[in-house]
Amino acid sequence: QSLLTQTPSVSGTPGQRVTISCYGSYSNIGGNTVNWYQQLPGTAPKLLIYSINQRPSGVPGRFSGSKSGTSASLAISGLQSEDEAVYYCATWDDSLNGVVFGGGTKLTVL
Amino acid sequence: QVQLVESGGGVVQPGRSLRLSCAASGFAFSTYVIHWVRQAPGKGLEWVSLISVDGRKKYYADSVKGRFTVSRDNSKNMFFLQMHSLRPDDTAVYYCSKGGDGYSDAFDIWGQGTMVTVSS
Repeated sequence: QSLLTQTPSVSGTPGQRVTISCYGSYSNIGGNTVNWYQQLPGTAPKLLIYSINQRPSGVPGRFSGSKSGTSASLAISGLQSEDEAVYYCATWDDSLNGVVFGGGTKLTVL
Repeated sequence: QVQLVESGGGVVQPGRSLRLSCAASGFAFSTYVIHWVRQAPGKGLEWVSLISVDGRKKYYADSVKGRFTVSRDNSKNMFFLQMHSLRPDDTAVYYCSKGGDGYSDAFDIWGQGTMVTVSS
C-alpha cells in the first residue's frame, strides 16, 4: 500500500482535458516538491513534471502540474492517443527518509 | 548521449545474491544522486535506494533494508546494487536513475532496466 494514493484509472476522449490526482500527507507532499512520471507500455518511466509544475525540455505544454496542501494534480489538456500510459506521482517522505511513488494511474484514451 | 545502462540481472534462487551494475555516460556522474527503482511484473514503481554524491549517505526502502547495499565508483562512472538474501518478491525490473544534487530532486534520466527473477 503506497503512501501516495492515486486513482487506478481514468479515461478521456481526444481533445478532452483530464486530471490525475495524488493524495499524500504532511510528511511527503505537504512538505516537499512533487514530480510526475509517464510510463508508456513496455518502456522505462520518463520524467514529465518536476518541482510541482515545471516541464522538462521536450514535454508539451499540454501537461501541467499543481499542488495544494497534501495533494498534487497532473492535468492533461488536448488529450491525444499517444498520451495513453500510466502516470506516477512521486515525492520525498520525511518520515521514511526515502522517495515514495503513487500506485499509478492508467490513462485510457477512448 | 546522456544515458544509464543497467546490467547484471538474471534468474537466481531464493536466498542467493546478485549484483546489479549501472554505467553512466554523457553527464558528470559524480555530481548527482543516483537512485534504484524497481517494478514487479504488472505492478507500479517502487523506490529501492539512493546514494549521495560522495557515496557517504545511503538510504533504503524498508523492504530491502539490511539485505541490499548500494555503492558507487565515481572514477568509473559506475553505480552498483548488491542484493543478498533474495526473495521471490524481489522479482522485478530494476532501473537506475539519475537524480539531482538533492535527495528529493526528480529522476530525469532512467536506464532501460534489468530483470531480476528470484525463483527456485
